[in-house]
Amino acid sequence: AQSVTQLDSQVPVFEEAPVELRCNYSSSVSVYLFWYVQYPNQGLQLLLKYLSGSTLVESINGFEAEFNKSQTSFHLRKPSVHISDTAEYFCAVSVTNRDDKIIFGKGTRLHILP
Amino acid sequence: DTAVSQTPKYLVTQMGNDKSIKCEQNLGHDTMYWYKQDSKKFLKIMFSYNNKELIINETVPNRFSPKSPDKAHLNLHINSLELGDSAVYFCASSQKTVSYEQYFGPGTRLTVT
Repeated sequence: AQSVTQLDSQVPVFEEAPVELRCNYSSSVSVYLFWYVQYPNQGLQLLLKYLSGSTLVESINGFEAEFNKSQTSFHLRKPSVHISDTAEYFCAVSVTNRDDKIIFGKGTRLHILP
Repeated sequence: DTAVSQTPKYLVTQMGNDKSIKCEQNLGHDTMYWYKQDSKKFLKIMFSYNNKELIINETVPNRFSPKSPDKAHLNLHINSLELGDSAVYFCASSQKTVSYEQYFGPGTRLTVT
């Protein structure tokens, strides 16, 4: 069975500082990896995904994540955060060539300090 | 031009009542889902339908019954509501053959008193 671990439930960071949100997964088969973002009182939106190819994937708003197979990690990074990045971030995993079941981590709340 | 819509957005009801939440997607996707998000933000899949066929049915009480009248709609009916059913319920959709991205609705906040 697959599982996703987000070690940090909350990450406070000052505006314009860099941030890393950690995600580790467990699976005996190949997986697809995702980061979703949930802004306050909204549904989830896909931030970025890794399906295959380059292990470094980027979003349009400056986030990036790197798939590391040996460390079974998919950490999310941004070099300089903005107040508008305040949200809950969910790492998720899906097994390739199976049904579309996605397993979500418990989420990390990114709290931007002024 | 909302992609995935849910009604109602808020639902307050008493224990023992029966209620339904509706979901519609206009993306032409073939797969739809229901998720439950608890007060700690933990998100858990409940059901998934592909072309109106039940694909995923997680460990959910029988009081919850999904219904998919067509590919664009997936409704959730809940019988005999309990306090523990209070949560935010999200509908989502995806197109399996294109990508694994799921598009989420805005959520329905259910409060059982």
